[in-house]
Amino acid sequence: EVQLVESGGNLVKPGGSLRLSCAASGFTFSNAWMSWVRQAPGKGLEWVGRIKSKTDGGTTDYAAPVKGRFTVSRDDSKNTLYLQMNGLKTEDTAVYFCTTMVGYHLKYWGQGTLVTVSS
Amino acid sequence: EIVLTQSPGTLSLSPGERATLSCRASQSVGSSYLAWYQQKPGQSPRLLIYGASSRATGIPDRFSGSGSGTDFTLTISRLEPEDFAVYYCQQYGSSLLTFGGGTEVEIK
Repeated sequence: EVQLVESGGNLVKPGGSLRLSCAASGFTFSNAWMSWVRQAPGKGLEWVGRIKSKTDGGTTDYAAPVKGRFTVSRDDSKNTLYLQMNGLKTEDTAVYFCTTMVGYHLKYWGQGTLVTVSS
Repeated sequence: EIVLTQSPGTLSLSPGERATLSCRASQSVGSSYLAWYQQKPGQSPRLLIYGASSRATGIPDRFSGSGSGTDFTLTISRLEPEDFAVYYCQQYGSSLLTFGGGTEVEIK
């Protein structure tokens, strides 16, 4: 059974930093493309960023609102995906979901972790 | 960036009725690159349809997807009580993903 378990969400002040983790199991993590998606309270889904598998180059892409501030990385030895968030803004407040990307869609989703940016 | 516009924002229907949800793209989307998700309150989204018309594993055949180019449709042939939820379309293009704003299917 595929499991994605996010952690690291917290209350942080504007301008601060936070690192989210996603522990993966039940599939070959090293072969997977992975994405982060967020959802602000009461709002819709917003894609954040994606990392390819190392065999496909391990490259990353980001949505415009987070480019230059957020970094997606992976540790295949730990089956773990990360999202490093710097320069946080109040509009980054959201539940952050870890997802597997199969083809051009998001097949499996974690339960999410809440990030609140507030002074 | 391709913008996806979903309509209507809210669909009020009764169980047993047919639901037709629209997703319109600001420019042409390859059919392989269009997916639909269902999200219920307090839950993570669930993949329903990928490649515009292929049902994901375990999705009942009352859900169907169609369309091409800039116009895509999700149809629920007969609404079951568990189908009342929010539905999102998503596209992949130029290495970026975008979602539509969602359609809420509520009980009339």
